[in-house]
Amino acid sequence: AQRVTQPEKLLSVFKGAPVELKCNYSYSGSPELFWYVQYSRQRLQLLLRHISRESIKGFTADLNKGETSFHLKKPFAQEEDSAMYYCALGSYNTDKLIFGTGTRLQVFP
Amino acid sequence: EPEVTQTPSHQVTQMGQEVILRCVPISNHLYFYWYRQILGQKVEFLVSFYNNEISEKSEIFDDQFSVERPDGSNFTLKIRSTKLEDSAMYFCASTNTGYGYTFGSGTRLTVV
Repeated sequence: AQRVTQPEKLLSVFKGAPVELKCNYSYSGSPELFWYVQYSRQRLQLLLRHISRESIKGFTADLNKGETSFHLKKPFAQEEDSAMYYCALGSYNTDKLIFGTGTRLQVFP
Repeated sequence: EPEVTQTPSHQVTQMGQEVILRCVPISNHLYFYWYRQILGQKVEFLVSFYNNEISEKSEIFDDQFSVERPDGSNFTLKIRSTKLEDSAMYFCASTNTGYGYTFGSGTRLTVV
């Protein structure tokens, strides 16, 4: 069965500290992994998708098929990064996404 | 930047009543979706819609739910007889690639 696990409900760091938001997935086929961000009272926004291999707002994520992980990283957190972050799993034979439960990132000044 | 628009932002309804949640997807998008998020829980897939028909639906999407694209611009989710457990945030999304959705800002449905 497809499953996404985000083990941390809350991650609190100080500005300038490195951040790693963990995401593990379970899927037997070829996964498509995404990170979505939801700023306070705003809509879900696509942050990253693994196939594009890009860096958005300083965030990167590498798909590790051996560890079935897609952790989101940023070397120096900013206060404006405070938000809910959701990891999501898709696949080539379905267009639905399976979301994790989300991690709230709090960046303190 | 184009947006997916959802109305209303908040709807309160009595148990057993019918509700229609409305969405205007981005105009050149071909794939449409409804997701919901019960307070404190994960975002859950309800249904996907392509080429004027449902392409996939979850087990949550039972006979009480239906979707429609009545006029080529709106995409609606109807809940025929609401239950207390239908209270949630409902998100519409659209894409033209099958991935990398654009989400709407959601409709908070409260069933009392």
